[in-house]
Amino acid sequence: DAKTTQPPSMDCAEGRAANLPCNHSTISGNEYVYWYRQIHSQGPQYIIHGLKNNETNEMASLIITEDRKSSTLILPHATLRDTAVYYCIARSNFGNEKLTFGTGTRLTIIP
Amino acid sequence: DAGVTQSPTHLIKTRGQQVTLRCSPKSGHDTVSWYQQALGQGPQFIFQYYEEEERQRGNFPDRFSGHQFPNYSSELNVNALLLGDSALYLCASSTTGIWNEKLFFGSGTQLSVL
Repeated sequence: DAKTTQPPSMDCAEGRAANLPCNHSTISGNEYVYWYRQIHSQGPQYIIHGLKNNETNEMASLIITEDRKSSTLILPHATLRDTAVYYCIARSNFGNEKLTFGTGTRLTIIP
Repeated sequence: DAGVTQSPTHLIKTRGQQVTLRCSPKSGHDTVSWYQQALGQGPQFIFQYYEEEERQRGNFPDRFSGHQFPNYSSELNVNALLLGDSALYLCASSTTGIWNEKLFFGSGTQLSVL
């Protein structure tokens, strides 16, 4: 699986959009970009994933650059409950591939 | 609908002992994966079970073994515990054959080895 690079920490004001970047310059054509988050004392929670088109669901939006070398997860109106570690993962969809986690971005929402 | 459940939530063992952790997958899921998460690190893949067999394995020694039962529940066994085995052990379930399937994680078992 391709390696991803994320900033170790970010702050965001409550109610504002949180934009979390991820670099995956070595991603291959069959690898999707997945985002999970882990709130303290809980297991990781799926947020969103995409291949090359932008995606949106009830939790977030995922913007992937045209060359697929980077992406941004957007939480449109951050709340205190969004404080968590966010993991960006490049994952092949051939078979039931494991998730290869990095150290993620610790996002803190400021009241 | 219960999600992924793990037991126990916390466990304290001493070096050299053996431990068994348990996981019940989300209803309808047939595949169970185990991850180890050391403090301050992301989860690391241990192995995956499907149809009662180990299908994939990460870079973990043979002291780590597992089992999957006909009802899809799973156990993780660790023998000859080391201090470095202290970690949060996470179970994740999914369904084999589903395109772009998501993994659902339990809240984990916190293992402390003294």
